[in-house]
Amino acid sequence: EAGVTQFPSHSVIEKGQTVTLRCDPISGHDNLYWYRRVMGKEIKFLLHFVKESKQDESGMPNNRFLAERTGGTYSTLKVQPAELEDSGVYFCASSQDRSVTQYFGPGTRLLVL
Amino acid sequence: DAKTTQPPSMDCAEGRAANLPCNHSTISGNEYVYWYRQIHSQGPQYIIHGLKNNETNEMASLIITEDRKSSTLILPHATLRDTAVYYCISILQGAQKLVFGQGTRLTINP
Repeated sequence: EAGVTQFPSHSVIEKGQTVTLRCDPISGHDNLYWYRRVMGKEIKFLLHFVKESKQDESGMPNNRFLAERTGGTYSTLKVQPAELEDSGVYFCASSQDRSVTQYFGPGTRLLVL
Repeated sequence: DAKTTQPPSMDCAEGRAANLPCNHSTISGNEYVYWYRQIHSQGPQYIIHGLKNNETNEMASLIITEDRKSSTLILPHATLRDTAVYYCISILQGAQKLVFGQGTRLTINP
């Protein structure tokens, strides 16, 4: 069974540009999460989807970040416009039902220049 | 969710048991203890979790003290591939937001 996949693995963009990250959860997992680690900091929760609905978006840093999960399958996280402080690693995770056991993808490394 | 504290770093010789401690003195009765690890350049990986009883799986064992104020993750025969940052997280079952601390950076030495 395939694990959580994320695309792209790396992205280098200039400040002010737009970047869209994609996450494909484990098949059948209704819960999908986004986390990120910015340089030197701890991994932080961004938001949680249950199917296509946002259950908790308390960790989203500001309105430059937009997450979607149309159809309740894969999810995208768009950053527009990107700022230097958005650089870091963005992780996606998924889980079954309301299990706390979350399975993480390899992450997308974003560098904003 | 209760806060956990872990030593920032530990070393262990390859082939020996690695024992990683975690303090969670303010844990409530319905909070679980979860362990994840992050190997360099990979996403966090689930290891094991428990509530009151000791638990064992193919990766590790989890020993929780009777008062539940602390726990120990045991990797019975550490290998170089176990070098990673290990995170101890206390969380309500059904809660959905993992709160990662600094973790313990475990280095397995040949």
